[in-house]
Order: sequence, then C-alpha cells, then structure tokens
Amino acid sequence: DAGVTQSPTHLIKTRGQQVTLRCSPKSGHDTVSWYQQALGQGPQFIFQYYEEEERQRGNFPDRFSGHQFPNYSSELNVNALLLGDSALYLCASSLGSEAFFGQGTRLTVV
Amino acid sequence: GIQVEQSPPDLILQEGANSTLRCNFSDSVNNLQWFHQNPWGQLINLFYIPSGTKQNGRLSATTVATERYSLLYISSSQTTDSGVYFCAVEVDMRFGAGTRLTVKP
Repeated sequence: DAGVTQSPTHLIKTRGQQVTLRCSPKSGHDTVSWYQQALGQGPQFIFQYYEEEERQRGNFPDRFSGHQFPNYSSELNVNALLLGDSALYLCASSLGSEAFFGQGTRLTVV
Repeated sequence: GIQVEQSPPDLILQEGANSTLRCNFSDSVNNLQWFHQNPWGQLINLFYIPSGTKQNGRLSATTVATERYSLLYISSSQTTDSGVYFCAVEVDMRFGAGTRLTVKP
C-alpha cells in the first residue's frame, strides 16, 4: 500500500499565478481533505471531498478550489497567488474516521 | 467551532525522561487523533483515540471525552522522538497549535 501520495513535493510560483496540487489517497479511501500549514502553526482545514462533491469547507477564500475524480484522487487549485499562500499543503485521506496524511507539497510564492 | 488547545507549547527533555502532553477541546468530539510531525513535514499517525486508553510501545494515550481532554504519554524518550506533536479533533481535523518536543542526548 503506497499510502497517501502528493505531487509535486516542492513548487515555486510567482505572485498572481495559479497552481494545481495533486493527491492520491490511500487504497480504499473515499474521502480526501486538504490543509494549509504555515510555518510554526498547526494545519488549517481548507475543504473535504467525498463522492466528487465538496462536503465541508474551512475559512478560505474562493481562490481555493478543488476537485475529486471518480478514482478518489483530488486536486487543489489556488488562483491569483499571494505571498501569504506560501505554506506546506497537506492532503489526508480517510475511510470513516481515521485520517492519514501525505508528505505534503511545499509551495513558495515569490 | 471547536477550539483545541495544546500544552505545553515547548518541552525540552533529556534522553530517557518521561513526558505528558495535553490536548483540551471546547466541545464534545467523536473523533480525536494524535500525530507526530517529522522534520520533513509528514504527519505520522500515533493514535486514533476518541475515548479510552491505548498503548503502542513507549507511547500511550488517554482521552476522557466527558472532561474534554486527551493526554499523550511518552516514556523513556529518545532523540528520535523530537518534533512537533499535534492533536486534531472531528472529521474536518481541527488541529491544536502543537507541542514542540526536543529530546537532548
């Protein structure tokens, strides 16, 4: 079992650009959640996808959007990047209650 | 929303010492997990423990749901235990700010 995998691992983007991050869930998991972790802080919930629909959303602007595919993999899109979007982006998958995290994508906006 | 508070924020130990990390939450929860974040950022699952007590080697955890807190015990700490420990509650995983543990040789 490959566990939760995220790509890319690192990314540098320019302010104003758009970015897409990808997540493949643990085998058999049908729910994917995304988190943003700024340096020195705990992860903040962005949103959760289940059956290709956004089921819950945290306090993030509409610039943050996502998608879940029929194979349960997911993408996180961020438009009009700001310097403050620089962070570690974590994906978690679950089947039921226990969540498992990927290694994260470190996004730097310059 | 539910508030999650972890204490202490920082903890420095000598190798071999024991420690207790605390997680308080502001409302009843159906889901609570403890994680260890390694230096590369990966969150490693330690315990899924919405209630009761579990043990895994040198680590154990207890959640008293009626009193809205959970404790993580680390015994005979090793330098590899260093890192940040998070608790998170509910299905949308509301995280505390973490406890940064440093174990010195």
